[in-house]
Amino acid sequence: ILNVEQSPQSLHVQEGDSTNFTCSFPSSNFYALHWYRWETAKSPEALFVMTLNGDEKKKGRISATLNTKEGYSYLYIKGSQPEDSATYLCAPGNAGNMLTFGGGTRLMVKP
Amino acid sequence: SAVISQKPSRDICQRGTSLTIQCQVDSQVTMMFWYRQQPGQSLTLIATANQGSEATYESGFVIDKFPISRPNLTFSTLTVSNMSPEDSSIYLCSVEDNWAGNEQFFGPGTRLTVL
Repeated sequence: ILNVEQSPQSLHVQEGDSTNFTCSFPSSNFYALHWYRWETAKSPEALFVMTLNGDEKKKGRISATLNTKEGYSYLYIKGSQPEDSATYLCAPGNAGNMLTFGGGTRLMVKP
Repeated sequence: SAVISQKPSRDICQRGTSLTIQCQVDSQVTMMFWYRQQPGQSLTLIATANQGSEATYESGFVIDKFPISRPNLTFSTLTVSNMSPEDSSIYLCSVEDNWAGNEQFFGPGTRLTVL
């Protein structure tokens, strides 16, 4: 069983603040790193899939980086908005695309 | 991306009863998965639903407790049998979209409360 850790567990920021959180995972048997955004009562929404060391991906105000050698990924949100409030999940996957999820970072953005 | 629906969206059940959750996809997919999230815990894979054969269960999950059907490439069911309060969770199905770089897409989940 992979040990996937996300920090912090929860985060309260003001609208307009930029923020980032961390996902750490064992670097052995790694194939891809998935980030999801999960709002209450909705489906988890796929944000990024990254595979290569040094990958950087961006979607609007959200971006992510990947370091497969040391086993971590950062997710950044620039200029947080109340609609960014959600739980952000990371999940490393192996070659069979079996995902192991971290506990998530719960982000709350205050207007 | 695949569009996934689940029924029911939520339910409250009595201890000892069983509940079957349905997952419907709008396109044919090879891989379908069932996950659960217990309160305060991570999303955990229960099993991979294989079309035409028995599901593949992860450690800690057994067929008698979580029987799964996969009659075709667009549909699957998960039954939570002989429920106890510890089965109170959100249950989600997901599919692997081969046309989207093997990304996994999730249904909206079924929120189950067992009294």
